[in-house]
Amino acid sequence: ETGVTQTPRHLVMGMTNKKSLKCEQHLGHNAMYWYKQSAKKPLELMFVYSLEERVENNSVPSRFSPECPNSSHLFLHLHTLQPEDSALYLCASSHKSGTGYTGELFFGEGSRLTVL
Amino acid sequence: GENVEQHPSTLSVQEGDSAVIKCTYSDSASNYFPWYKQELGKGPQLIIDIRSNVGEKKDQRIAVTLNKTAKHFSLHITETQPEDSAVYFCAASIVNTGFQKLVFGTGTRLLVSP
Repeated sequence: ETGVTQTPRHLVMGMTNKKSLKCEQHLGHNAMYWYKQSAKKPLELMFVYSLEERVENNSVPSRFSPECPNSSHLFLHLHTLQPEDSALYLCASSHKSGTGYTGELFFGEGSRLTVL
Repeated sequence: GENVEQHPSTLSVQEGDSAVIKCTYSDSASNYFPWYKQELGKGPQLIIDIRSNVGEKKDQRIAVTLNKTAKHFSLHITETQPEDSAVYFCAASIVNTGFQKLVFGTGTRLLVSP
């Protein structure tokens, strides 16, 4: 098993569809993240869950709805998306050590989303 | 908030040459500067990082330098190999105890020709 697994790898959806992206981490980490990667733009942090509590929401439109049922799983529910939402969506996880320092991000391979 | 600028956007070198990628940041409170490598079809992977109490760090063919006064940091790759071809991202953040809030640069596409 790879560290962070994302499904599906590719998704094409219409603007009226409802779909979900799934992320699973097998690293025992306690923080999980959703990033959006668009061409020629920096990676944009969307949401952060730490110990299953949402701790960051970077003004993301409500058509994106995250869910973190436990420390190993993270979902991104999608509904009534726009064509400009087409991008690579990356999930990541990190670990808060006993000393408090939160280390490197481990990324999944991403879900390539196309909105028609 | 923090803003990170990265240059160049593309870099082509011959195998064996050195490559240098530069980043600047705006928030003087930032104290952690990682570099990530993203190969085609994969997610970014940490290759080296540096904290603000250190001016330089080296790991085999990769080194990072930090100038806190000028608020810029650079990635240096020596003796480049074709497998170094990828997109490289710099980032900056303030180390905290909760989660990692990185601000990324726009990336540099490095192409190493045999």
